[in-house]
Amino acid sequence: SQQGEEDPQALSIQEGENATMNCSYKTSINNLQWYRQNSGRGLVHLILIRSNEREKHSGRLRVTLDTSKKSSSLLITASRAADTASYFCATDEYGGSQGNLIFGKGTKLSVKP
Amino acid sequence: GAGVSQSPRYKVAKRGQDVALRCDPISGHVSLFWYQQALGQGPEFLTYFQNEAQLDKSGLPSDRFFAERPEGSVSTLKIQRTQQEDSAVYLCASSPLAGQGNTEAFFGQGTRLTVV
Repeated sequence: SQQGEEDPQALSIQEGENATMNCSYKTSINNLQWYRQNSGRGLVHLILIRSNEREKHSGRLRVTLDTSKKSSSLLITASRAADTASYFCATDEYGGSQGNLIFGKGTKLSVKP
Repeated sequence: GAGVSQSPRYKVAKRGQDVALRCDPISGHVSLFWYQQALGQGPEFLTYFQNEAQLDKSGLPSDRFFAERPEGSVSTLKIQRTQQEDSAVYLCASSPLAGQGNTEAFFGQGTRLTVV
């Protein structure tokens, strides 16, 4: 079963605009990660935010985490056509047995040049 | 190698055929995970190895699925008597530490299995 739900399911923007994707999850977590998947490729790790952190930045990426609402957001600023991909949040369940990641269904981002 | 390598990249199997999917993790990585990704969905956990020990196989959908990592490096996911519902992309991931939650996981490009 999948832990997270990304919102929106699909997002289409123009190059240079910002893209915001949201993720909600169900159980208490240790950490939350965001991954990118280009069509037909494996997943690439973008950023990890711990449960005691509220915000984290990496380049053009900004991630927030609200554990009281069990939600996270990923902001991509000044988007580029190369950012076109599917984006997934993934959590590891607090107290979970082996620390495998539980993924959401993803947001499909399309950035038009 | 530089990354996680999976083979074959594509596999077409006739229903009822057995298949074997291979994963070469990053050298020295302790943890190895298998995920199944249906079209338009996120990856779903299948099984987890820490070195050669299979610590969790709770995600394997049926007893037709079997995974091994006998020497703690290369892993094979075997599916017996394939069914159409087994059609999916099978992703392998490795990480340097035990578990996957505390650190970046490195994914292979996956094997796309189509059962006809």
